[in-house]
Amino acid sequence: DQQVKQNSPSLSVQEGRISILNCDYTNSMFDYFLWYKKYPAEGPTFLISISSIKDKNEDGRFTVFLNKSAKHLSLHIVPSQPGDSAVYFCAARGNFGNEKLTFGTGTRLTIIP
Amino acid sequence: KAGVTQTPRYLIKTRGQQVTLSCSPISGHRSVSWYQQTPGQGLQFLFEYFSETQRNKGNFPGRFSGRQFSNSRSEMNVSTLELGDSALYLCASSLEWGFTEAFFGQGTRLTVV
Repeated sequence: DQQVKQNSPSLSVQEGRISILNCDYTNSMFDYFLWYKKYPAEGPTFLISISSIKDKNEDGRFTVFLNKSAKHLSLHIVPSQPGDSAVYFCAARGNFGNEKLTFGTGTRLTIIP
Repeated sequence: KAGVTQTPRYLIKTRGQQVTLSCSPISGHRSVSWYQQTPGQGLQFLFEYFSETQRNKGNFPGRFSGRQFSNSRSEMNVSTLELGDSALYLCASSLEWGFTEAFFGQGTRLTVV
């Protein structure tokens, strides 16, 4: 039962354009969402997060949007840079037995110079 | 401040053997989680420890076990190794149990032959 889904396994974007990575979840008990970036042979690196009481959070070139009614979140990267090429995982956690981080399967982002 | 340290980085074992992986969390962090990453499966949650107690457990067989010591360091053990146990095992530390952000180590690449 995949509670967090990233339906696009890969995405290619031109350098300087906007990258949009999507994530859907099914568990309504989730109340905190995170995005991680992972390079090969390294552990995931925390990028940005959002609480369910917000619908947007920005940090430099990264913005996360949350649509609770649709159980959907997205990560926008503007402008995209070659160093952004990596696998991006969304993750979610909640309360009352849902405290563990539940990850999606990841989206491989390739920035084309 | 040192990050999360996992040892060893690489390991090759034979089917039927057992293996112990080690994780030292960020100084001051008291919660440690373990994840298994295999191609196409994303990060699968194994278990989470806080104050030497297992707080959450994922859907893995009993061959997978772990523990946490009083200094917050954690070990995970896999007994009777199977070929399908070949994966990247990641450890993450958080300040407290259920705390929002988790910080990952570089992982231990286990190959079972």
